[in-house]
Amino acid sequence: EVQLVESGGGLVKPGGSLRLSCTASGFTFSRYSMTWVRLIPGKGLEWISSITSGASYTYYADSVKGRFTISRDNARNSVSLQLSSLRAEDTALYYCARWMGDSCGYFPDYWGQGTLVTVSS
Amino acid sequence: SYELTQPSSVSVSPGQTARITCSGDVVAKECVRWFQQRPGQAPILVIYKDNQRPSGIPERFSASSSRTTVTLSITGTRVEDEADYYCYSAADNDWVFGRGTKLTVL
Repeated sequence: EVQLVESGGGLVKPGGSLRLSCTASGFTFSRYSMTWVRLIPGKGLEWISSITSGASYTYYADSVKGRFTISRDNARNSVSLQLSSLRAEDTALYYCARWMGDSCGYFPDYWGQGTLVTVSS
Repeated sequence: SYELTQPSSVSVSPGQTARITCSGDVVAKECVRWFQQRPGQAPILVIYKDNQRPSGIPERFSASSSRTTVTLSITGTRVEDEADYYCYSAADNDWVFGRGTKLTVL
């Protein structure tokens, strides 16, 4: 059974930083790309970042480019998202998901339960 | 980036057919995916491409398309289908969700 468990969320002041982590099990982690998606209250889901299986390529939404950094450790079956220069509009529930590819492109097929990030003074 | 437009809410009576639309400059409509998110739960994939359903998703979930719109249909809607539904597509390394549709079954 695929399982993804996020951690690291919390309350942080504007301009602050936070590191989110996601530990995976139930599949061969090193063979899959991974992604982070967030659920913004009142606005819905937003894809924010992805990383390929060997970490050769990373992708970011314009809204977080230059502020967030995705990374992974295949030896530990984990993917991380470093959040910096946080803004109130980054307040969201952050999901880690497996990033699956087919002839139509990439999509998140299995999701964790999410970790909550609140940016407030 | 491009946008996918969904109605903010749809209501349906139990047993009826719910239809949720998704429109935008989607090049390959057969590649639009659909996610269901029940309150307090993680999203799950209900349609992934060419109107295919992942294992465990009931047959009452299906997708169709016209020239400008992709539609998720739920036939014989049940109370447990009440959830937010998001369409999703990708183009040029830009992965986009629609704003979501709240389906109310009452």
